[in-house]
Amino acid sequence: SYELTQPLSVSVALGQTARITCGGKNIGSKNVHWYQQKPGQAPVLVIYRDSNRPSGIPERFSGSNSGNMATLTISRAQAGDEADYYCQVWDSSTVIFGGGTKLTVL
Amino acid sequence: EVQLVESGGVLVQPGGSLRLSCAASGFTFSIYSMNWVRQAPGKGLEWVSYISSSGSTIYYADSVKGRFTISRDNAKNSLYLQMNSLRDEDTAVYYCARTTNDYSKNFDYWGQGTLVTVSS
Repeated sequence: SYELTQPLSVSVALGQTARITCGGKNIGSKNVHWYQQKPGQAPVLVIYRDSNRPSGIPERFSGSNSGNMATLTISRAQAGDEADYYCQVWDSSTVIFGGGTKLTVL
Repeated sequence: EVQLVESGGVLVQPGGSLRLSCAASGFTFSIYSMNWVRQAPGKGLEWVSYISSSGSTIYYADSVKGRFTISRDNAKNSLYLQMNSLRDEDTAVYYCARTTNDYSKNFDYWGQGTLVTVSS
């Protein structure tokens, strides 16, 4: 079955750029979506179809996808960006989530 | 405003059954496919099941296949998850989530979740 690999944790200094990766075999051929989840809250879609932002999501959030890696980039990181982030794809009539990455803003 | 409100989560014994509901409002429910996604305490997201807008296409995660049944009532703007033969590992917050469209297949709206605890 298809697997998505994310780092358990990523740290970023306040105001700097954070990059969260999502690895999968030939993931560049799939649509990748990203969700942000804060403690006690439901997930929120922050990037869809690799690089598109839903309305209301700051331009600081961007995404890319090529080869075997998709990346969520958060520019000018703020304290409010501290959360768990999950990537997601569809594969063979199944939804796959990455294991999640905890972003810490220092 | 799009709203998804789950209900039905309780404490149930292993081997028991439970039916979750998700009440949708603020959008035309009948034209969107829907999903159930769960999250065990302290763990990541796990997709459970998908149902197309008409109910004609249904998918399940291997972990629940044969035990859970997804359904919908478009007249009542409601999504359901019938859960049978429950196991300890089914303990989780269960979210209903709307699929944006069947090309993109991302989840654009989520409910706040309902907690299912399976324990003796």
